[in-house]
Amino acid sequence: QKEVEQDPGPLSVPEGAIVSLNCTYSNSAFQYFMWYRQYSRKGPELLMYTYSSGNKEDGRFTAQVDKSSKYISLFIRDSQPSDSATYLCAITDSWGKFQFGAGTQVVVTP
Amino acid sequence: GAGVSQTPSNKVTEKGKYVELRCDPISGHTALYWYRQSLGQGPEFLIYFQGTGAADDSGLPNDRFFAVRPEGSVSTLKIQRTERGDSAVYLCASSPLIGDRGRGTGELFFGEGSRLTVL
Repeated sequence: QKEVEQDPGPLSVPEGAIVSLNCTYSNSAFQYFMWYRQYSRKGPELLMYTYSSGNKEDGRFTAQVDKSSKYISLFIRDSQPSDSATYLCAITDSWGKFQFGAGTQVVVTP
Repeated sequence: GAGVSQTPSNKVTEKGKYVELRCDPISGHTALYWYRQSLGQGPEFLIYFQGTGAADDSGLPNDRFFAVRPEGSVSTLKIQRTERGDSAVYLCASSPLIGDRGRGTGELFFGEGSRLTVL
């Protein structure tokens, strides 16, 4: 079993809808949680980073962590076609080995 | 440019050949990471350097894979006796470490990857 599980999608939503993404993890030692966005044939880029349970907002993006359930989420409000990409969760217990989920492909249709 | 640079961007080789992939990180970034990404999968950890030393090489799949960072900047990933299963995009990332405990920020700055195809 992988340490980080993420539904690969694809997830198709109409423009303006809320996109909901999530990951589960198995190791309770994980304490730093990140979401990366990856466009086709590009390297991933960091969207959100948090280390505590609860919500963190940044513009249209909200990251949510529930350490008791080992569950993390990313919400994208007012989705735009430019949000079409693959979204990767990444988790680490230290600043060395980051474990990535499989990535969820999101398609926002105009 | 100011970003992470990886060369070559594409490499096609034959089974059994030797391959070197180069990563030039962002200037001043202490940490450097190599990941491998297969189609439809997330990045898979290979190795992590702090400065010149490999801090964690637990992700290297076997002894055909080796990476160096002799001067604490540029890194080279070396693959011997390539196999078809080695075909993937090899991603390099660098990260600044902050504070006296070398704590990171969560931000890995990725290059665009080297796409390796083994025929």
